[in-house]
Amino acid sequence: EAGVAQSPRYKIIEKRQSVAFWCNPISGHATLYWYQQILGQGPKLLIQFQNNGVVDDSQLPKDRFSAERLKGVDSTLKIQPAKLEDSAVYLCASSLQRGQGYEQYFGPGTRLTVT
Amino acid sequence: GQQVMQIPQYQHVQEGEDFTTYCNSSTTLSNIQWYKQRPGGHPVFLIQLVKSGEVKKQKRLTFQFGEAKKNSSLHITATQTTDVGTYFCAGSDSWGKLQFGAGTQVVVTP
Repeated sequence: EAGVAQSPRYKIIEKRQSVAFWCNPISGHATLYWYQQILGQGPKLLIQFQNNGVVDDSQLPKDRFSAERLKGVDSTLKIQPAKLEDSAVYLCASSLQRGQGYEQYFGPGTRLTVT
Repeated sequence: GQQVMQIPQYQHVQEGEDFTTYCNSSTTLSNIQWYKQRPGGHPVFLIQLVKSGEVKKQKRLTFQFGEAKKNSSLHITATQTTDVGTYFCAGSDSWGKLQFGAGTQVVVTP
């Protein structure tokens, strides 16, 4: 089966600019996650969707970050305006369902550099 | 909130040697998952532990969940160059929300 797809793979922007990342999860996976991974750290959950609804966005900096999953399939994460500290790899993951017992499948990530 | 700590941060191993990496949570976990991330790659699921005291083996990898469900360990025997990467533990709540540790970066010397 096809894995989690993400684009772009790399992005370089200047601070205060905006950027958007796209994710297409594994077919049939109801739960979609966006993580931020700063160099040398573990992935940090930003937002979790169950179908097209948000179930957890407690760690999403809502003043600058937004995400949507309108049709319950693919998703977009946006940053506007970007700050230097947003430089990181943004990982999208999906799982069959929400709840313990379901492993998460990660995409290749988008490496963002903010200058 | 829940915090997951991993030690050591770095592990330099001679090929053929054994090593262990440890994971500790500030709270009791519903389950714990382990992921491996190769250099330049993305995290890949290795295993999930659910029961108190559970031990699971995958070839040369042995995973253990503590009796209190607050700590876990990964032991690798006869390390190979293919074991290079960063190993993350991730504590899960009952809804499957994962809290990742900072990882143990493993470097293998031939």
